[in-house]
Amino acid sequence: ETGVTQTPRHLVMGMTNKKSLKCEQHLGHNAMYWYKQSAKKPLELMFVYSLEERVENNSVPSRFSPECPNSSHLFLHLHTLQPEDSALYLCASSQGQAMNYGYTFGSGTRLTVV
Amino acid sequence: AQKVTQAQTEISVVEKEDVTLDCVYETRDTTYYLFWYKQPPSGELVFLIRRNSFDEQNEISGRYSWNFQKSTSSFNFTITASQVVDSAVYFCALGTGNTGNQFYFGTGTSLTVIP
Repeated sequence: ETGVTQTPRHLVMGMTNKKSLKCEQHLGHNAMYWYKQSAKKPLELMFVYSLEERVENNSVPSRFSPECPNSSHLFLHLHTLQPEDSALYLCASSQGQAMNYGYTFGSGTRLTVV
Repeated sequence: AQKVTQAQTEISVVEKEDVTLDCVYETRDTTYYLFWYKQPPSGELVFLIRRNSFDEQNEISGRYSWNFQKSTSSFNFTITASQVVDSAVYFCALGTGNTGNQFYFGTGTSLTVIP
C-alpha cells in the first residue's frame, strides 16, 4: 500500500462519456501532480497543484479538467476523450519542490478510450 | 533544454548476472538533480535514488549502485547479482532549479531477469 492511492485502477470509457479519476495522499505533502504515461514515451506532466492552487498546466487539452479541493485530494475529470488519450494516468505528490525529495507516485489508472 | 536519454529499451539477463542501465542527461543548469525510479508491473513508480549535481560520489545500496559522471553527463545504474524481483521498467529523471516541480523523464528501460 503506497501513500498515494488512485481509483479506479482500470477504466474503460466511450468517447462521449464523462468520468473522473481520483487521487488521495496521506503523506502530508503540499503538492500534487497528474502525469500521463503512454507506451514508448517519456512521462508527460499534465498538471501541478501546490498548496491547492494550480501552478502549471502544460498545454493539456480542455477535455482534461483537474480539481484539487484540498491538499490530500486530486481529481482529473474526463469528457469527450479520444482513443489516443488511452494511457496510464499517474498521480504523484511531493513535499515542497519535487526535486528536493522526489515524487511519491500512486499505482495509476489504466484508461482505455473506445 | 532539458532531456534524458535511456538508449536501452529492453534488456534481458539471466538471474545472478550483473546489469547496467544507462542514463544520459542534457541541461545547461549548473544546479540539477537526478533520480532513478523503478516501475514494477503493479504500476507505481518507486523512488530509488536522488543525486544533486554537486555530489559526484558514487553510491551503493545493497545490490544497487550508481555511477554519476558529470564529464559524460551520465548517471548509470548497476544491479549486481540480479534477481527475478528486479524485473521492472526503470526510469531516469532530471529536475532543475529552473524547471520547478517538473521532472524530465527518460523513456525507461524494461529489464527482464530470467530465472
